[in-house]
Amino acid sequence: QEKVQQSPESLIVPEGAMVSLNCSFSDSASQSIWWYQQHPGKGPKALISIFSNGNKKEGRLTVYLNRASLHVSLHIKDSQPSDSAVYLCAVRGEGADRLTFGKGTQLIIQP
Amino acid sequence: DAGVTQTPRHEVAEKGQTIILKCEPVSGHNDLFWYRQTKIQGLELLSYFRSKSLMEDGGAFKDRFKAEMLNSSFSTLKIQPTEPKDSAVYLCASSLALGARTGQLYFGEGSKLTVL
Repeated sequence: QEKVQQSPESLIVPEGAMVSLNCSFSDSASQSIWWYQQHPGKGPKALISIFSNGNKKEGRLTVYLNRASLHVSLHIKDSQPSDSAVYLCAVRGEGADRLTFGKGTQLIIQP
Repeated sequence: DAGVTQTPRHEVAEKGQTIILKCEPVSGHNDLFWYRQTKIQGLELLSYFRSKSLMEDGGAFKDRFKAEMLNSSFSTLKIQPTEPKDSAVYLCASSLALGARTGQLYFGEGSKLTVL
């Protein structure tokens, strides 16, 4: 079964800083990797996904995938207090119809 | 379009009680998932339905947890009997086609269960 690990567990940065979140997974044949954002008392919401090696940029978000090192990272540029949330990495394994989630990174952006 | 609707948002139960959580998926979605979320374990899959057929029932959660999909727009999760260790947030999610490359999950806001 796919294993997903995230680091750090928590992160506090000042407003405007660049944020980097990490995720490692166990199967290089994983089909897709997703990042979800979860605010307190709410369900997770999909932010961005990546399927191929390399990077993908959407607005202030950039995600990098390196299948050889089984690693994906999410970078948030010009962080805002509203970015404060838990960020979950989710991986869909080869042939799987389900997502396996990491335990998340708690991000706090200080004004 | 309405998102995923979960009720109740909060439930307090005594140990040994039966509780039923409800979920209405996004209209037209084929896949429905029930997850349990705790700080220690994170998100754990309880059950997975595709077009109302049970595809996975979460192994370790089989004995006291039963999810049903009564029709394509309504699902329930029954916990019987409840134990204090069941205290968690229960999340329902749906997807148009998770197996597809672009498939993503849409989550409800969750039902927070406290078992005394």
